[in-house]
Amino acid sequence: DAGVTQSPTHLIKTRGQQVTLRCSPKSGHDTVSWYQQALGQGPQFIFQYYEEEERQRGNFPDRFSGHQFPNYSSELNVNALLLGDSALYLCASSVTSGTYNEQFFGPGTRLTVL
Amino acid sequence: GNSVTQMEGPVTLSEEAFLTINCTYTATGYPSLFWYVQYPGEGLQLLLKATKADDKGSNKGFEATYRKETTSFHLEKGSVQVSDSAVYFCALTERSNFGNEKLTFGTGTRLTIIP
Repeated sequence: DAGVTQSPTHLIKTRGQQVTLRCSPKSGHDTVSWYQQALGQGPQFIFQYYEEEERQRGNFPDRFSGHQFPNYSSELNVNALLLGDSALYLCASSVTSGTYNEQFFGPGTRLTVL
Repeated sequence: GNSVTQMEGPVTLSEEAFLTINCTYTATGYPSLFWYVQYPGEGLQLLLKATKADDKGSNKGFEATYRKETTSFHLEKGSVQVSDSAVYFCALTERSNFGNEKLTFGTGTRLTIIP
């Protein structure tokens, strides 16, 4: 059983460009959350998707947007990249069932903005 | 809002030493508490959790007790191994009707164990 997978592994972009990161959840999971982990910091919650809709959002600007597909996979899009967007982007998947269920994390996508 | 404060690192210990990594939290409700571990080049893995006051989470020799009176969830291990070298994150989540609220993380503590 494959765990959470993310692509690409690494990405280099320049300021002002746009980027799309992808996440495939663990089999049987229907909820995807995205986190940004700056170097030397803990992960910061960006948003969470369930039933193809954004259910929760952290303190990130509108440049950060996402999407969830019918197969539960998800994309994170960042527009007008800034140097400060350089970070490890983590995807986590879980099951929504009314009680807390463990979030499983992928290995992340390392984004470098030059 | 919710927040987590962790003991600053890095922490360097000799093999078989006793480990404590301090974690305190601020939350408006009754959060669930977690310790995650991140090995080099890998994503986060759940190490242990506690969902209510006085609960003790344990896994792989690590333990942490949910202390509501001191708002703490300190991580301990009696005898560390070289393989325990990693970054450790304390985290919390508020409970909700749909169950999977966002995780709020501390800044992480890098642990290095010397043979």
